[in-house]
Amino acid sequence: GENVEQHPSTLSVQEGDSAVIKCTYSDSASNYFPWYKQELGKRPQLIIDIRSNVGEKKDQRIAVTLNKTAKHFSLHITETQPEDSAVYFCAARDNQAGTALIFGKGTTLSVSS
Amino acid sequence: DTAVSQTPKYLVTQMGNDKSIKCEQNLGHDTMYWYKQDSKKFLKIMFSYNNKELIINETVPNRFSPKSPDKAHLNLHINSLELGDSAVYFCASSQSGTTTQYFGPGTRLLVL
Repeated sequence: GENVEQHPSTLSVQEGDSAVIKCTYSDSASNYFPWYKQELGKRPQLIIDIRSNVGEKKDQRIAVTLNKTAKHFSLHITETQPEDSAVYFCAARDNQAGTALIFGKGTTLSVSS
Repeated sequence: DTAVSQTPKYLVTQMGNDKSIKCEQNLGHDTMYWYKQDSKKFLKIMFSYNNKELIINETVPNRFSPKSPDKAHLNLHINSLELGDSAVYFCASSQSGTTTQYFGPGTRLLVL
């Protein structure tokens, strides 16, 4: 089955800096890679996703890149703000009906002002 | 207009008890899931249902039994609760042919 590794487990940056979180996956059948943000005591919220036919996707300060050959994908947050502080999860899945997301173990991002 | 809702939000109970968590989605999705988030924040799939049929049943104790009375509901019943069952349980839903999963607010279960 799919296995998703995520690094680093914790990341501390100064406000305005960039943050990068990296994930690798094992199953070449996976073709969908979302990123979720989870604030303390809240539900995971989808912030950006990428499909395997795309190499990069941007949404304002957030971007995701995918290297299918290397089975790597990364989340990039630019101009970080204190409200970006949260736990970020990467995930992977294929598109079979009912397939669940396989999550990485999460990265706790702290942005200090 | 909550998309995915769960009840209860908090559940504190004694070891050995039986409890249920309910999940409902009003998005018209045909697939629903239960995930468990442990104390280390690790999110792991437990079950998924597609059109009321069980698709995924990960290695969870058979004390956990999901039930899907219709496509909009997926309930989780837990028998003989153990200390290690303490966690946050998230329900989620999605539509076949699409990829986005929407999570419920979670049920925080504490077994004493």
